[in-house]
Amino acid sequence: GENVEQHPSTLSVQEGDSAVIKCTYSDSASNYFPWYKQELGKGPQLIIDIRSNVGEKKDQRIAVTLNKTAKHFSLHITETQPEDSAVYFCASGDTGRRALTFGSGTRLQVQP
Amino acid sequence: NAGVTQTPKFQVLKTGQSMTLQCAQDMNHEYMSWYRQDPGMGLRLIHYSVGAGITDQGEVPNGYNVSRSTTEDFPLRLLSAAPSQTSVYFCASSYSTGMNTEAFFGQGTRLTVV
Repeated sequence: GENVEQHPSTLSVQEGDSAVIKCTYSDSASNYFPWYKQELGKGPQLIIDIRSNVGEKKDQRIAVTLNKTAKHFSLHITETQPEDSAVYFCASGDTGRRALTFGSGTRLQVQP
Repeated sequence: NAGVTQTPKFQVLKTGQSMTLQCAQDMNHEYMSWYRQDPGMGLRLIHYSVGAGITDQGEVPNGYNVSRSTTEDFPLRLLSAAPSQTSVYFCASSYSTGMNTEAFFGQGTRLTVV
């Protein structure tokens, strides 16, 4: 089955710096790659997603890149703010699969 | 618009007790699922349902039962609680049964088994 690995497990940056979180996946059939943000005491919430026919997608300070050949995708957050502090999960999906497969999560701390 | 609602938010059980975690969604989603979240292990699928009357096992189903009598509700039952079931439980729903659309999560239930 699919395996998604996520790095780093923790990331601390200064406010205003950029943050990058990387994920690799194993199933070449995967075609949907969402990123979820989980704030303390809350459920994960989708922040951005990308499909396999696209190499990059941006939404204001957040961008995701996908390299299908290498089977990895990354989340980029620019001009980080304290409210970006949270746990971020990557995931992969495929129309034939029973559920999304999640990475183990990255705890991002933005120091003011 | 409530989205996905889980109750209770917190629960402490004694070993051997049973209980039901409730999950309801008001988005008319066909697909619903239960995950457990443990430190350093991400979200692991317990059970899922692709529509009313249809359920199936996920990655870690042992010790849990589910049913789906209506589109809206998807309760998770712990049959005989064990300390290994101490975790945070999330219910999720999505419009499509294909794994290529957004999943909406509830706020979670933090369960402690002593």
